[in-house]
Amino acid sequence: KQEVTQIPAALSVPEGENLVLNCSFTDSAIYNLQWFRQDPGKGLTSLLLIQSSQREQTSGRLNASLDKSSGRSTLYIAASQPGDSATYLCAVEVLGGGADGLTFGKGTHLIIQP
Amino acid sequence: DAGVIQSPRHEVTEMGQEVTLRCKPISGHDYLFWYRQTMMRGLELLIYFNNNVPIDDSGMPEDRFSAKMPNASFSTLKIQPSEPRDSAVYFCASSFQAKQSRTGELFFGEGSRLTVL
Repeated sequence: KQEVTQIPAALSVPEGENLVLNCSFTDSAIYNLQWFRQDPGKGLTSLLLIQSSQREQTSGRLNASLDKSSGRSTLYIAASQPGDSATYLCAVEVLGGGADGLTFGKGTHLIIQP
Repeated sequence: DAGVIQSPRHEVTEMGQEVTLRCKPISGHDYLFWYRQTMMRGLELLIYFNNNVPIDDSGMPEDRFSAKMPNASFSTLKIQPSEPRDSAVYFCASSFQAKQSRTGELFFGEGSRLTVL
């Protein structure tokens, strides 16, 4: 069964810093990996989707990488801002067997201090 | 498009009562997912549909849970009878199957927060 782990569970950094959030998964047989953002009391918003054949995706100040062989992904946030404060979740889409759809990590709760 | 719409946003009910959660996916999307989120277990997939057909319900915790999708624009998740341990935020999400991805980018509703007393 696919398991997704995110480290750290919580992170607090001063505004302006660059930071990296980590995601690891146990089964490398995936279709893709997605990073989501969740604000308190809200649903999830998709940030980046990396296909299994890709190594990275970029959107503005966000860059996500994928290393399938090692079962790892990172989300890099450049020049962090207080508005980046949220919970960030990664999820992998598994290759058949058992429940399909996405398997989520429990997220990293990020606080950017003004 | 208004995005994925869920109702009610909040529901408080007593143990034993029937609860029905509703979802309207984004028009044109062919996948619909129901997830449950708790502090302890995070986000768990309950069931998903493809073109209105349930594909995998192995995540549904018990027979007390049922889900239907009578047409492409509406789905329900029903809990009968409800129990305190069902208290959670229930999310509906939809997606359109992309060429190289089975489910594509996922769009979530804002969730239905259920409290069972």
